[in-house]
Amino acid sequence: DTGVSQDPRHKITKRGQNVTFRCDPISEHNRLYWYRQTLGQGPEFLTYFQNEAQLEKSRLLSDRFSAERPKGSFSTLEIQRTEQGDSAMYLCASSPGSGASYNEQFFGPGTRLTVL
Amino acid sequence: QKEVEQNSGPLSVPEGAIASLNCTYSDRGSQSFFWYRQYSGKSPELIMSIYSNGDKEDGRFTAQLNKASQYVSLLIRDSQPSDSATYLCAFHNTGGFKTIFGAGTRLFVKA
Repeated sequence: DTGVSQDPRHKITKRGQNVTFRCDPISEHNRLYWYRQTLGQGPEFLTYFQNEAQLEKSRLLSDRFSAERPKGSFSTLEIQRTEQGDSAMYLCASSPGSGASYNEQFFGPGTRLTVL
Repeated sequence: QKEVEQNSGPLSVPEGAIASLNCTYSDRGSQSFFWYRQYSGKSPELIMSIYSNGDKEDGRFTAQLNKASQYVSLLIRDSQPSDSATYLCAFHNTGGFKTIFGAGTRLFVKA
């Protein structure tokens, strides 16, 4: 039974470049979340998928951010034209969507992004 | 008013003592509440969920929820040095799927 995995674990990029992160949720979890976390803060909600449908997206998310979850399995988060303020840990989480623990979220190890 | 408020700490307790962590939230309609533990440099790890008023116990951990006061707490009994971490309170917003996290309380358990 594998947990949530994320790739890459670390990414260093130059300002203005595009980056893409991948998240593989726990198998059979139909809910998937993306968060961003900076030092000293809790995770900040970015977006939520139920299966392949993106049902909620933070108003804080600019047009430079986009996420997909084709076929309701893995998900990708893309940041276009990165800025230094995008430097953060990007976390993915999944939850079963059914049963007693339907909305308990389990986090992946995160992708740490550094924008130079 | 912040959506979730937690004392940032640090909260320092001696080994074997009870650690009490508190959280208040602003969304009166919230139904789902969570406590996560986060070690430095690691991702959050779910400790407990609570949905009904009252207490919920799991091993050394007890979560307490009071919806009328919009207050949720976590008690850690027989605290161990390995409990030293940041504890994050979270809840689901009303009618949506957004999970809102507090900034966390840092706990230090002194051996």
